[in-house]
Amino acid sequence: GAGVSQTPSNKVTEKGKYVELRCDPISGHTALYWYRQSLGQGPEFLIYFQGTGAADDSGLPNDRFFAVRPEGSVSTLKIQRTERGDSAVYLCASSSPGSSNTGELFFGEGSRLTVL
Amino acid sequence: EDQVTQSPEALRLQEGESSSLNCSYTVSGLRGLFWYRQDPGKGPEFLFTLYSAGEEKEKERLKATLTKKESFLHITAPKPEDSATYLCAVQGGSQGNLIFGKGTKLSVKP
Repeated sequence: GAGVSQTPSNKVTEKGKYVELRCDPISGHTALYWYRQSLGQGPEFLIYFQGTGAADDSGLPNDRFFAVRPEGSVSTLKIQRTERGDSAVYLCASSSPGSSNTGELFFGEGSRLTVL
Repeated sequence: EDQVTQSPEALRLQEGESSSLNCSYTVSGLRGLFWYRQDPGKGPEFLFTLYSAGEEKEKERLKATLTKKESFLHITAPKPEDSATYLCAVQGGSQGNLIFGKGTKLSVKP
């Protein structure tokens, strides 16, 4: 499809396990964002890539969270030693070079993570 | 610290009953204020960008306005398909990321 693709759509894991969430942005979009959304809350910023590099990772809550974008396209969000408080919907968004200043981010449908 | 506060948290309207949603913000050097719509189980969908006080944008039954401290999303004669959560976000200073509010959940009954 032409939109932002996120996999898996749902992930249930046990406390302490390692999790990877994948984001495939719209082709040609250079900027990629990860947000986290808990029930009844707005999206909370985690990290922003411009190309292959993390331009701003100030939203990552601690060192258990890490994200990569090695070829400037697909990105993976990695969570180590998961905790119950990590349960949320993880949203990925991308934007084109022309739309990054207009705030027009294109979001995927999210990966719902449940930590038991 | 940049902050976005939306009110009310929830709003129930009858079809055709016009109303407004509020977004109050504090940000260092506003670069833009953005409105998004989010349907259940979906990612947010972009609606508008406003850059400076006095600016207005319209799309179908929606009109967004901006002052130096807040933005309003006016909904004229809403229909049930306008039911969704409406999110407000700001981008400030040299940031590339958007700071979102908690949203207003709008329900329009036929």
